[in-house]
Amino acid sequence: GDSVTQMEGPVTLSEEAFLTINCTYTATGYPSLFWYVQYPGEGLQLLLKATKADDKGSNKGFEATYRKETTSFHLEKGSVQVSDSAVYFCALRTSGTYKYIFGTGTRLKVLA
Amino acid sequence: NAGVMQNPRHLVRRRGQEARLRCSPMKGHSHVYWYRQLPEEGLKFMVYLQKENIIDESGMPKERFSAEFPKEGPSILRIQQVVRGDSAAYFCASSPPGTMGSYEQYFGPGTRLTVT
Repeated sequence: GDSVTQMEGPVTLSEEAFLTINCTYTATGYPSLFWYVQYPGEGLQLLLKATKADDKGSNKGFEATYRKETTSFHLEKGSVQVSDSAVYFCALRTSGTYKYIFGTGTRLKVLA
Repeated sequence: NAGVMQNPRHLVRRRGQEARLRCSPMKGHSHVYWYRQLPEEGLKFMVYLQKENIIDESGMPKERFSAEFPKEGPSILRIQQVVRGDSAAYFCASSPPGTMGSYEQYFGPGTRLTVT
């Protein structure tokens, strides 16, 4: 079945460091791909998305490119801030279905 | 436009009690989905409902769990005779009416259930 694999955390970085969180997927159809962020004690917020191959989603300095050839959707940010500390979830939803498939989440901690 | 609302945000129940979790979808949304997040895991789909109908409950445990979305009022996820393994965060999402699966889901803040 469809699945999402994320790099395990926690990831600890200093402020202004470069961030990469890896995400790969397997899907039988043509999925849309998403990154969600969960701040402590809060629900999920959509961070960015991409709906087809080579699309780049971006928001708040975060970017991710839909790579069909490597079945990946890695999250990047050039300069992280303390306020970026959260859990990041990669997810997919296959076209024509309503079920989101989530990865296990990657906890990011940014130190001042 | 208010987002998806869930209450309570935190719920503590003793083993054997019942837990009722409520979800009010975004205005204009008639599709509701429930997901469960166990500690250190991602969210897992439980059930998909439209007004007065259960469309897909393939992710629901066979016993003790039920869900409804009445014509009036919020969607309710009900867990009878809770056990410690039910401790988790339960998230509700909603989407507008339309072709099934063609719309994004908007997630609520979740209800964190703790069973003591």
